[in-house]
Amino acid sequence: DAGITQSPRHKVTETGTPVTLRCHQTENHRYMYWYRQDPGHGLRLIHYSYGVKDTDKGEVSDGYSVSRSKTEDFLLTLESATSSQTSVYFCAISKVDSQFGTEAFFGQGTRLTVV
Amino acid sequence: TQLLEQSPQFLSIQEGENLTVYCNSSSVFSSLQWYRQEPGEGPVLLVTVVTGGEVKKLKRLTFQFGDARKDSSLHITAAQPGDTGLYLCAGTTYYGGSQGNLIFGKGTKLSVKP
Repeated sequence: DAGITQSPRHKVTETGTPVTLRCHQTENHRYMYWYRQDPGHGLRLIHYSYGVKDTDKGEVSDGYSVSRSKTEDFLLTLESATSSQTSVYFCAISKVDSQFGTEAFFGQGTRLTVV
Repeated sequence: TQLLEQSPQFLSIQEGENLTVYCNSSSVFSSLQWYRQEPGEGPVLLVTVVTGGEVKKLKRLTFQFGDARKDSSLHITAAQPGDTGLYLCAGTTYYGGSQGNLIFGKGTKLSVKP
């Protein structure tokens, strides 16, 4: 158990409203990630963080922003939700090891529906 | 763009059968991982392979990393219904002080019927 908690687990929101998803970790890992998972596309990286206030874009970052003001929390914000952002969102932490590379540990996911 | 291609996409077999899932790329990876994901849950790391030609065994699961570190396979012997799930491979292109983001394949959905 990597101590990752996502909230909320489920959310239904209306098009055009802002939405924030929260990821909380208890093990003080430096690297945190937000992915979305969609049928036919697999897991795609949205944004990642390599430290407090240090973030960078992933493959599908348009329409999303992130913040990391504390090591343990990584927030994903949809500024104005659209139906194309209906998805399952996963937060992950990674342990970067010189021998094993990057190994990811995932939260349980947030199912977001934009209507 | 680096891609990891997984095959087959779907696999439905009877309990007791053997199966192999493949993960291929034109890129070289410094390490490659296999994850299993059950419905409603996040992916769970099964194994990491690092050395070209490496073989790792986890009970009835055998993982192999290709000699050129561009491909990998997962073989399950005598599959059981509990093996049902989505199997994902993921690769890191560099490591050792530099963060290598994971690249995921789209997965193989395995169903093992009793």
